[in-house]
Amino acid sequence: AQSVSQHNHHVILSEAASLELGCNYSYGGTVNLFWYVQYPGQHLQLLLKYFSGDPLVKGIKGFEAEFIKSKFSFNLRKPSVQWSDTAEYFCAVRGAARQLTFGSGTQLTVLP
Amino acid sequence: SQTIHQWPATLVQPVGSPLSLECTVEGTSNPNLYWYRQAAGRGLQLLFYSVGIGQISSEVPQNLSASRPQDRQFILSSKKLLLSDSGFYLCAWITTGEVDGYTFGSGTRLTVV
Repeated sequence: AQSVSQHNHHVILSEAASLELGCNYSYGGTVNLFWYVQYPGQHLQLLLKYFSGDPLVKGIKGFEAEFIKSKFSFNLRKPSVQWSDTAEYFCAVRGAARQLTFGSGTQLTVLP
Repeated sequence: SQTIHQWPATLVQPVGSPLSLECTVEGTSNPNLYWYRQAAGRGLQLLFYSVGIGQISSEVPQNLSASRPQDRQFILSSKKLLLSDSGFYLCAWITTGEVDGYTFGSGTRLTVV
């Protein structure tokens, strides 16, 4: 069975600071990895995904993530955060039945 | 167009009462369907998934059950609700061959009192 760990439960940054959210996964099959974002009062939205190829993937709104197979990690990064990035971020790994297993989430608060 | 409907949006139920949450999708066929629960401070937990009519896989043993009576209908049920069943329930789907992430429903906020 797959699992995902997000070690940062709450991150507080000032605008323009750089962001890195940690995600470690455990899965024995072909790895498909995702980052989702949930803005206050809104649905989950797909931020970016990794299936194969270039381990550095770029998503919407300036976010990117790097797949490091040797570390079982898929960390999310953004060079300069904005107040509007305040949201909860979820890392997920997809299993054989295409079910997503999510991490517990990281609440990001960006101070203006 | 492809859409997902989930209802009701909010529900307040007493402990011990039954539960039925319904999710239907439109504009697609033979989707994989999923029920998730988002409890406060606990992230998203996969409860059940279904790859076809009558096929249900349970991820977490608990007080809930799921059924898929039709291709595009997925139902989450309970015979007797517990306080711990409170949470935000999300239905999601993905079609065969889809390489992107899920499409999520708008969710049901369940409060067991």
